[in-house]
Amino acid sequence: GAVVSQHPSWVICKSGTSVKIECRSLDFQATTMFWYRQFPKQSLMLMATSNEGSKATYEQGVEKDKFLINHASLTLSTLTVTSAHPEDSSFYICSARDRRTRHYTDTQYFGPGTRLTVL
Amino acid sequence: AQKVTQAQTEISVVEKEDVTLDCVYETRDTTYYLFWYKQPPSGELVFLIRRNSFDEQNEISGRYSWNFQKSTSSFNFTITASQVVDSAVYFCALSDTGNQFYFGTGTSLTVIP
Repeated sequence: GAVVSQHPSWVICKSGTSVKIECRSLDFQATTMFWYRQFPKQSLMLMATSNEGSKATYEQGVEKDKFLINHASLTLSTLTVTSAHPEDSSFYICSARDRRTRHYTDTQYFGPGTRLTVL
Repeated sequence: AQKVTQAQTEISVVEKEDVTLDCVYETRDTTYYLFWYKQPPSGELVFLIRRNSFDEQNEISGRYSWNFQKSTSSFNFTITASQVVDSAVYFCALSDTGNQFYFGTGTSLTVIP
């Protein structure tokens, strides 16, 4: 099956620094990638939808200047948490949609997640 | 608006017992997809099943079975003869025609040996 990777799998950083998380589709091209955030013992909340070659669409309440998303190629999207603070500590999960299918609701593949801890 | 409700926050069962996880959804779309995912402590989402809105046929896969009833907007998940390895958080999700996923709040299942 299709594989989506995330790097790093976990990261610890100091407050005020920026952290970049990569999401890659390894064996398919993804025109669209999604970024989710999951706080402990809570559900996944969609942060933004990333489309290759265009600006990301952010969900209400998500600061676009704080969570920078770049989808520069069909296999890579990055999420940069700028000036991270302890409240940004969370589990970040990306998913990618295979561009080859027209009805691609069933071909959204999730990455393994990145655990961010901001001290 | 789309909404997925998993009323059971935590469930504990003794190994070999059967357990049913409930999922109720809301949508105005006639075309949609329903999913179940398993999230073990490692955090990675494990895909279990996808069902489209036009297919109400129940499905069985080994010890897992799913009951989809459009009349009650429910998509329940049953694990038969539960095992310790089934301990995880289980999420029900709905995907609409915009291909956006809406997740329930999850049910944490603990299987006691």
